[in-house]
Amino acid sequence: DTEVTQTPKHLVMGMTNKKSLKCEQHMGHRAMYWYKQKAKKPPELMFVYSYEKLSINESVPSRFSPECPNSSLLNLHLHALQPEDSALYLCASSAGGRGQAYGYTFGSGTRLTVV
Amino acid sequence: AQSVTQLGSHVSVSEGALVLLRCNYSSSVPPYLFWYVQYPNQGLQLLLKYTTGATLVKGINGFEAEFKKSETSFHLTKPSAHMSDAAEYFCAVKTSGSARQLTFGSGTQLTVLP
Repeated sequence: DTEVTQTPKHLVMGMTNKKSLKCEQHMGHRAMYWYKQKAKKPPELMFVYSYEKLSINESVPSRFSPECPNSSLLNLHLHALQPEDSALYLCASSAGGRGQAYGYTFGSGTRLTVV
Repeated sequence: AQSVTQLGSHVSVSEGALVLLRCNYSSSVPPYLFWYVQYPNQGLQLLLKYTTGATLVKGINGFEAEFKKSETSFHLTKPSAHMSDAAEYFCAVKTSGSARQLTFGSGTQLTVLP
């Protein structure tokens, strides 16, 4: 299995809703990432998990809450989002290891619309 | 600090023509360099990467890139464009010892004309 699977593919939520994005990989990768991508822009890093521990939080608002239950799963919990949070949310994983050039494997993303 | 600059946010080529997408990097240490492709409403797919060794790197779908340290460049080429190559292309850099972070360029939208 060489894929990163993200669910759902599309999500529409109101500003008072609570929802979760899910990401799963079975490649044995020990680093997992959440990115946010606006239209016609490069992905922006949100969070990095390394060996199931949060290692980087790029000053993301608290209405986004990541969770890594185990080495194969990564969740992003959403609460009280704003319309400007509408974007493509991408999950990625890599084999990890400092100083080693592993490419990232990206999922196909969740298209989030906040209304 | 590391960064990449992609020259040209939009590039148009005719089907069968040479594709050249430009990427220049800035890094204080030897970099690892990547090219990703993104089709509409999809995630990013790794085309190729340079780590060490041979400076000419071959990737998927007939693409290749050459690492030129003297020019701090990593341009992406394909001898003959196909309609299916139309997509957004991102160059990215990662330096040894960084906390597993990729830094992306701003992207180049490739249009292939019939």
